[in-house]
Amino acid sequence: DSGVTQTPKHLITATGQRVTLRCSPRSGDLSVYWYQQSLDQGLQFLIQYYNGEERAKGNILERFSAQQFPDLHSELNLSSLELGDSALYFCASSEILKGGGELFFGEGSRLTVL
Amino acid sequence: AQTVTQSQPEMSVQEAETVTLSCTYDTSESDYYLFWYKQPPSRQMILVIRQEAYKQQNATENRFSVNFQKAAKSFSLKISDSQLGDAAMYFCALSGGYQKVTFGIGTKLQVIP
Repeated sequence: DSGVTQTPKHLITATGQRVTLRCSPRSGDLSVYWYQQSLDQGLQFLIQYYNGEERAKGNILERFSAQQFPDLHSELNLSSLELGDSALYFCASSEILKGGGELFFGEGSRLTVL
Repeated sequence: AQTVTQSQPEMSVQEAETVTLSCTYDTSESDYYLFWYKQPPSRQMILVIRQEAYKQQNATENRFSVNFQKAAKSFSLKISDSQLGDAAMYFCALSGGYQKVTFGIGTKLQVIP
C-alpha cells in the first residue's frame, strides 16, 4: 500500500459528461502529480501541485482542470468528455518539490467514456 | 525539455535468467535523477530503483541493478535471476531540477516458466 488513495477506481460515463477524480496523497507529502495512461502509451504528465499551488503543467487539455485543497487532497475535473479521454488516470505524491524524490502512486482511476 | 526513450516494447526472459531493459534520455539539467518503475497487472506503479546522476556508482537493489552511462545518456535495468513476479510493465523515468517526472512508454516484460 503506497498510502495514496484514489477514488473512484472505475468510472463509466457518456460523451459530453463531466467527472471528478479524487486523490488523497500520502501523509506528509505536499506534491501531487496527475498522469494519464492511455492504451499503448506511457504516462503522460498532466499537472503538478505543491502545497496548494500549481507548479507545473503538461499536455493538459483545456477541458481538464485540477486543484489541490488546503488539506492537500487533489481533484482532477474532466469535462465535455470525449471517447479519447478513456484512460487510466494516476495520482502520485512526493514529499518534496524538487526532482529526485520517489513518486508514490495510487491505484489509478479507470475512466471509460462511451 | 526532457525526454525518455524506451525502444523495446516487449521483452521476454526465461525464469532464473537475466534480462536487460534499455532506456535513453535527454535533459539540459546538470542535476537529475533516473528511475525505473514497475507496473504489475494490478496496475499500481512501484519504484524499482533510483540513480542520482552525480553518482558514478551504479545503483543496485537486490536482483535489480542499473548500467548508468552518463555520457551516452543511457540507463539500462538488469534483472538477475528473473522470477515470475517480475512480469510487468517497466517504465524508465527522469526528473531534473524542478521539472516534472517524465516517463518512457514502457517495456512489457514476460517471464517464461
